[in-house]
Amino acid sequence: LAKTTQPISMDSYEGQEVNITCSHNNIATNDYITWYQQFPSQGPRFIIQGYKTKVTNEVASLFIPADRKSSTLSLPRVSLSDTAVYYCLVGDRPGAGSYQLTFGKGTKLSVIP
Amino acid sequence: NAGVTQTPKFQVLKTGQSMTLQCAQDMNHEYMSWYRQDPGMGLRLIHYSVGAGITDQGEVPNGYNVSRSTTEDFPLRLLSAAPSQTSVYFCASSYMDSYNEQFFGPGTRLTVL
Repeated sequence: LAKTTQPISMDSYEGQEVNITCSHNNIATNDYITWYQQFPSQGPRFIIQGYKTKVTNEVASLFIPADRKSSTLSLPRVSLSDTAVYYCLVGDRPGAGSYQLTFGKGTKLSVIP
Repeated sequence: NAGVTQTPKFQVLKTGQSMTLQCAQDMNHEYMSWYRQDPGMGLRLIHYSVGAGITDQGEVPNGYNVSRSTTEDFPLRLLSAAPSQTSVYFCASSYMDSYNEQFFGPGTRLTVL
């Protein structure tokens, strides 16, 4: 399972765009990149997943360069309710492999009014 | 749909006691898993199941048992509780072909004295 490295914490003002970068130098060919969000006292919530280039949904965008050794989660115009821990995970493609997700310590994002 | 439900929400045990944490899902998901989360840490996988009658160990299985007699239920048993098992426990489920996108329950906060 590929190891991921992400900043421990980040601060941002309301209304700004936030980019959280995750490093995964040992990513394997079959690995997908997945991001989760966790609010205090709640279980994690799936945000977005991608394999290469760019993926966008109603919550966030995920940018993955050609070498796939890193990825960047982009949150547009954050609000106070985006204050949470964000986890970057790397795992086998759906339907194959070890069926195990590995969560690191995540990035604690604090949005400031 | 209720999604993933967990009971109890809180539990206090004495060292050596046994108990079962309940987890149920009503989304007909094949994949179910149990994680523990300690303060300041990410989630660590305890056990997982890819279908009824099939279970496997995750990263930290010692001291825990699981079974999967139905698609809906995936109980976690603590055989002889120890203070080191004080943690928040999360159950999650997903479809097998999208196990990277897991749905988490609200968690059970367990304290072992």
